[in-house]
Amino acid sequence: KAGVTQTPRYLIKTRGQQVTLSCSPISGHRSVSWYQQTPGQGLQFLFEYFSETQRNKGNFPGRFSGRQFSNSRSEMNVSTLELGDSALYLCASSFLKSDRGWTGELFFGEGSRLTVL
Amino acid sequence: SQKIEQNSEALNIQEGKTATLTCNYTNYSPAYLQWYRQDPGRGPVFLLLIRENEKEKRKERLKVTFDTTLKQSLFHITASQHSDSATYLCAARQGYQKVTFGTGTKLQVIP
Repeated sequence: KAGVTQTPRYLIKTRGQQVTLSCSPISGHRSVSWYQQTPGQGLQFLFEYFSETQRNKGNFPGRFSGRQFSNSRSEMNVSTLELGDSALYLCASSFLKSDRGWTGELFFGEGSRLTVL
Repeated sequence: SQKIEQNSEALNIQEGKTATLTCNYTNYSPAYLQWYRQDPGRGPVFLLLIRENEKEKRKERLKVTFDTTLKQSLFHITASQHSDSATYLCAARQGYQKVTFGTGTKLQVIP
């Protein structure tokens, strides 16, 4: 079974640009969540999607957005990039057994390493 | 606000000894606590889950406890090996809320 796939793995952007990151979950997983990881802040929750609906959102500015498609693939977008957006962006998928909540572990991809110059 | 705290940023331990990592939570009543391992430049990998009505869970050399009175989870690696060196993260979620991760403890097992 293929794991969670994130593309691109590495990218370099300049301030003011925008970026789109992609995540393909494990087949059969309908929940996808995104995290930003920096050395100082650890893993910070961005958003979570289940069946194309955003279930939860973290405390990030509106420049950070995401969506999920009908095949459960997800994208996140960061507009008007700032230096502080440099981070490892991790996507995780999960097999929710019911819509009542989280009953399983998160399967993470290898991440997209974004550097903003 | 809800907080997950892992007391030690780093922990050095000699090979063969038991490593004990701590995870404390405040303003929170998580239904589950999970532990993950993360190697440099890689995504976290799930290790163990413990539910609020469970006191202890084991998997091979790993053991995790959950004390809802102390609001604490302990993660033990017995007979530690150099290959256990990594960052260990605890995570929690309550109901529909977002998953909250601790900042991690970097474990270094010294041969």
